Amino acid sequence: AQKVTQAQTEISVVEKEDVTLDCVYETRDTTYYLFWYKQPPSGELVFLIRRNSFDEQNEISGRYSWNFQKSTSSFNFTITASQVVDSAVYFCALSEPNTGNQFYFGTGTSLTVIP
Amino acid sequence: ETGVTQTPRHLVMGMTNKKSLKCEQHLGHNAMYWYKQSAKKPLELMFVYNFKEQTENNSVPSRFSPECPNSSHLFLHLHTLQPEDSALYLCASSPGGGPYEQYFGPGTRLTVT
Repeated sequence: AQKVTQAQTEISVVEKEDVTLDCVYETRDTTYYLFWYKQPPSGELVFLIRRNSFDEQNEISGRYSWNFQKSTSSFNFTITASQVVDSAVYFCALSEPNTGNQFYFGTGTSLTVIP
Repeated sequence: ETGVTQTPRHLVMGMTNKKSLKCEQHLGHNAMYWYKQSAKKPLELMFVYNFKEQTENNSVPSRFSPECPNSSHLFLHLHTLQPEDSALYLCASSPGGGPYEQYFGPGTRLTVT
């Protein structure tokens, strides 16, 4: 079974719109870590955020915000006032200490921001 | 050089060739990783090295052979590959083998003909 599900394969928005990328994870561990990465066309995955399972506070960083909800096993990512430079594939990942901290990546969401 | 670098960026090889992918990290990290990224699939972890010791080998075919001579360098030796091995191969590093964020290189786009 997939440990990380990103149900949205592709999303297109018009510049300045807000967009939310969904991530649902599955784990039996009480301690785990969640990550978001951005992969622009150049190919390099860029680290965006790491969140541990004991910290459910939402986080905001500029136009980016993350909503972590353990009750629904979700760690959603919102981009406010999207820009063309936000066009990329975004990956959510889960790491579990009990499995050697191996990263489990979702299949990614391809975001296109239309000018 | 900064971050994680990978060479070559693009590689085309025949099924009988032998080639190597190189990864170098300039971050002072102790763990390095090889991933395979195929279209429409999650990233697949191939190998993990922690302090130069291989700690993970996720059932990768023997035609892929990793080498980690020191904490800064990682190689992936390729021989007798199959067309289905065509993919983007990504290298990453992290401070240790724990739940740290991993920093990725730009990848090597491999095409097997």
